Amino acid sequence: LAKTTQPISMDSYEGQEVNITCSHNNIATNDYITWYQQFPSQGPRFIIQGYKTKVTNEVASLFIPADRKSSTLSLPRVSLSDTAVYYCLVGAQADKLSFGAGTTVTVRA
Amino acid sequence: KAGVTQTPRYLIKTRGQQVTLSCSPISGHRSVSWYQQTPGQGLQFLFEYFSETQRNKGNFPGRFSGRQFSNSRSEMNVSTLELGDSALYLCASSLVPAGVTDTQYFGPGTRLTVL
Repeated sequence: LAKTTQPISMDSYEGQEVNITCSHNNIATNDYITWYQQFPSQGPRFIIQGYKTKVTNEVASLFIPADRKSSTLSLPRVSLSDTAVYYCLVGAQADKLSFGAGTTVTVRA
Repeated sequence: KAGVTQTPRYLIKTRGQQVTLSCSPISGHRSVSWYQQTPGQGLQFLFEYFSETQRNKGNFPGRFSGRQFSNSRSEMNVSTLELGDSALYLCASSLVPAGVTDTQYFGPGTRLTVL
């Protein structure tokens, strides 16, 4: 299993950019990297997925260096509603998915 | 398109009882995976079903079982409940077996409390 490591928590202010880095040194060749957002008592919500280089969608960007041993989720101009736990997920098959411990992002006014 | 739905949302049981949780995937999705989430262990994979067949199973005791119906709806059953089974049970669906390029979409979860 590709073990992931991410910061336990991060604090930010409204309007700032938040960058969360996830380490996954043992990532396999066919593993994709997926990030989810989770609010209390709700299921994780898909944010973004990538394999290499950079991926951008309407809510976030994902940067993956050439060695793929880490990835960085970038949330531009966060708001209070972005306060949540963010999970870095590495893996292909469901039984081999490795969920990180999650990063609690707290956005303050 | 409606998302993944799970019923019930909340459940309280006592030790020794059994429980059945239900999951309806997104229309057209044929793969359903189940996860257990607890504060101490985080998100742990239970099992995955695709076209009514269990494809993968996590490291949980045989008290945890599941099945999938022809309409892709899935149920999971936990027998002889233990206090440690208290958790948020999440269901996720995907078009095809959760794999390289497919994304899993999660339901809101069922909060199970065992007293």
